[in-house]
Amino acid sequence: DTEVTQTPKHLVMGMTNKKSLKCEQHMGHRAMYWYKQKAKKPPELMFVYSYEKLSINESVPSRFSPECPNSSLLNLHLHALQPEDSALYLCASSQSALIASEQYFGPGTRLTVT
Amino acid sequence: EDQVTQSPEALRLQEGESSSLNCSYTVSGLRGLFWYRQDPGKGPEFLFTLYSAGEEKEKERLKATLTKKESFLHITAPKPEDSATYLCAVPHNAGNNRKLIWGLGTSLAVNP
Repeated sequence: DTEVTQTPKHLVMGMTNKKSLKCEQHMGHRAMYWYKQKAKKPPELMFVYSYEKLSINESVPSRFSPECPNSSLLNLHLHALQPEDSALYLCASSQSALIASEQYFGPGTRLTVT
Repeated sequence: EDQVTQSPEALRLQEGESSSLNCSYTVSGLRGLFWYRQDPGKGPEFLFTLYSAGEEKEKERLKATLTKKESFLHITAPKPEDSATYLCAVPHNAGNNRKLIWGLGTSLAVNP
């Protein structure tokens, strides 16, 4: 089973709201990722967790706060977002946390900031 | 600078009309090349990993090949359900090679 699940599927939030995106995988993968994707663009890496520790932060604004409660779960906490943050947010996981290997993506959360 | 370029940007085929998509890359010390399929509004679906020149992988109507400078995704007798954006990516050559460098994708439309 190569399934990564994400909730919610859609989210509309105001600029003063606080919300969270959730991601789960049960493949025993040791690395988990958050990506942001705009229309007609490839995914853009935001964060990488390796063995439940944050290993890469691609200079993401602090209004995005990741959390990895355990090896299967990944959250992205959102606060005071801007309309330009509207995008498809993708979670992914990969078996290896040390070397490049194929990443498996979830279906994404479509976020709209009003 | 590490770079991935895909061509064509868009491709329209008739059902049954075979063709190829191209992914050229400039990265020293290739640590794998990944092909993905993405349907509108959904996450990318992993298709293939290729590691060395001459390697080939197949899945249904798709076959991916790799040379030292590029990869091809051959689509044989495509069906309308093959319509999607096809993305290729390679790991960044720097220390954190879990970061992928993505091409902009090829948008494939297969008409019945």
